[in-house]
Amino acid sequence: DTGVSQDPRHKITKRGQNVTFRCDPISEHNRLYWYRQTLGQGPEFLTYFQNEAQLEKSRLLSDRFSAERPKGSFSTLEIQRTEQGDSAMYLCASTGQYEQYFGPGTRLTVT
Amino acid sequence: KNEVEQSPQNLTAQEGEFITINCSYSVGISALHWLQQHPGGGIVSLFMLSSGKKKHGRLIATINIQEKHSSLHITASHPRDSAVYICAVLQGAQKLVFGQGTRLTINP
Repeated sequence: DTGVSQDPRHKITKRGQNVTFRCDPISEHNRLYWYRQTLGQGPEFLTYFQNEAQLEKSRLLSDRFSAERPKGSFSTLEIQRTEQGDSAMYLCASTGQYEQYFGPGTRLTVT
Repeated sequence: KNEVEQSPQNLTAQEGEFITINCSYSVGISALHWLQQHPGGGIVSLFMLSSGKKKHGRLIATINIQEKHSSLHITASHPRDSAVYICAVLQGAQKLVFGQGTRLTINP
């Protein structure tokens, strides 16, 4: 257990539905990251927050994706109108300085 | 071409063998991470290094900044070392760029 938690761990949804994932970072960490990992590939950067400010977004993050970190603590990642191509593992990580601590991930399956 | 390339992509070895996984990168970095991912998804950081060599138990990581290359070695490999090993480089403001991973299987 790295101290970073994610909920839910698994989500199965039908195409076109909206889903929301939550990440709770290590409490003193001010940076929080979201990554996406498809089968057989390394993770890809989606977005990152410093405290409550979203400082960078990948081009992978289409307008169907939105992420928030309203009080600089937990973060949510919402996917609207899910597509089958959204099926992946969504990973959250937090860091205070350099080393990133990863959560267990949320595996999304869109049917 | 990916910014971070790992080799081999898959590696199968017998228990006790010495294992080497290589990582080459093409971008400027502030540090390099070696990560371990077990089935089920959880990722654990093994090493973060910006120069030289680090050792932790049976694991050794080296980096050559001039050549933009890093290696992860496992001595006296064991079936419990079976996992995916991922090289990731830290760019700029703490953003990680990942290799595609090396799937390691150690047979008893």
